[in-house]
Amino acid sequence: DQQVKQNSPSLSVQEGRISILNCDYTNSMFDYFLWYKKYPAEGPTFLISISSIKDKNEDGRFTVFLNKSAKHLSLHIVPSQPGDSAVYFCAASEGDNYGQNFVFGPGTRLSVLP
Amino acid sequence: KAGVTQTPRYLIKTRGQQVTLSCSPISGHRSVSWYQQTPGQGLQFLFEYFSETQRNKGNFPGRFSGRQFSNSRSEMNVSTLELGDSALYLCASSLRTSGRHGEQFFGPGTRLTVL
Repeated sequence: DQQVKQNSPSLSVQEGRISILNCDYTNSMFDYFLWYKKYPAEGPTFLISISSIKDKNEDGRFTVFLNKSAKHLSLHIVPSQPGDSAVYFCAASEGDNYGQNFVFGPGTRLSVLP
Repeated sequence: KAGVTQTPRYLIKTRGQQVTLSCSPISGHRSVSWYQQTPGQGLQFLFEYFSETQRNKGNFPGRFSGRQFSNSRSEMNVSTLELGDSALYLCASSLRTSGRHGEQFFGPGTRLTVL
């Protein structure tokens, strides 16, 4: 049973346009969410995070939106660049002060076309 | 500052054997987490170590074990290898000095193939 879902295995976007990657979760105890980007033959790289006390966090071209009632978050990339082509993972955490446990989604492969 | 390093990068074993993977976290990071990545399952959490203690464990059989040393380096061991253990094993380190949430920095992974 997947607690974190990314229902789009792949997404293609034209350079300069907006990329929207979606993520849904089922565990209402999750209170911290992250997005990672992964290039082939490399480990995931942290992009941006959001705490459940917020509904939006912005960092440069990347914005994450959180809708707690819908248990949904999205990552917006504006404008999209060819270098953004990678696999994007959504992750959620419900750990306590003792330990942390991140649950990852299956990933969405983003292709930004020049 | 050097990143997370994992050794070896590639490993080929046969069923029934055991394997030990190593991870050196970023200097100063005391939390080390291990993940298994497979095409069908994505990244799945194995366990987290902090100050030489296992703090959290994912849903994996007891054949998967780990430990952390006083210098924060960590090893992961898989005994009695099965074909399904073929995967990319990723290690991530985190500073985690305040609160429980810490951005994780991933290593390049160890690609394990079980024949």
